[in-house]
Amino acid sequence: DQQVKQNSPSLSVQEGRISILNCDYTNSMFDYFLWYKKYPAEGPTFLISISSIKDKNEDGRFTVFLNKSAKHLSLHIVPSQPGDSAVYFCAAGYNFNKFYFGSGTKLNVKP
Amino acid sequence: DTAVSQTPKYLVTQMGNDKSIKCEQNLGHDTMYWYKQDSKKFLKIMFSYNNKELIINETVPNRFSPKSPDKAHLNLHINSLELGDSAVYFCASSQDRGRGVGYTFGSGTRLTVV
Repeated sequence: DQQVKQNSPSLSVQEGRISILNCDYTNSMFDYFLWYKKYPAEGPTFLISISSIKDKNEDGRFTVFLNKSAKHLSLHIVPSQPGDSAVYFCAAGYNFNKFYFGSGTKLNVKP
Repeated sequence: DTAVSQTPKYLVTQMGNDKSIKCEQNLGHDTMYWYKQDSKKFLKIMFSYNNKELIINETVPNRFSPKSPDKAHLNLHINSLELGDSAVYFCASSQDRGRGVGYTFGSGTRLTVV
């Protein structure tokens, strides 16, 4: 039973526009959330995180939003660039014990 | 200089064989992990060691045995390989269990059991 779900396996966006990647979770105990980016033949790399005490965290072009009541988080990339094309994984955990990952969303940013 | 390196990158082996995957991190992190990416692309944690002590041991077959000779190394040994073990295995490390900066992952080992 997957506790973290990314229901969109792929997303295509025009360069310069906003990319919105979504993630849903089922466990209300989760208190920390992360986004990772993965290029082919490489391991995931950490992108941005958010604690459950916040509803938004911003880092440059990347913003993560957390809606605890809906058990939903999203990653916004503005403006999107071709180099952002990758697979994005969200992950959630509690007490930093272990993190559960979604299945990823493949983002394609078209020039 | 690779932060988390795992070897081999590719491993093709026959059913019933025993194989090992090695992982080393040069970041000075205190915690290391093994994750398995299954056919549905989910990354699932298998094991975690903190300063050589096993702290997470998920429900995996006991054919899988991790070994951490020191806090910079976490190896994964798999006995009697089965077809269902085919997957990509990722090693990762973190400091302070990933607070703030998450995990640093290796580039993965693609295991194919034939």
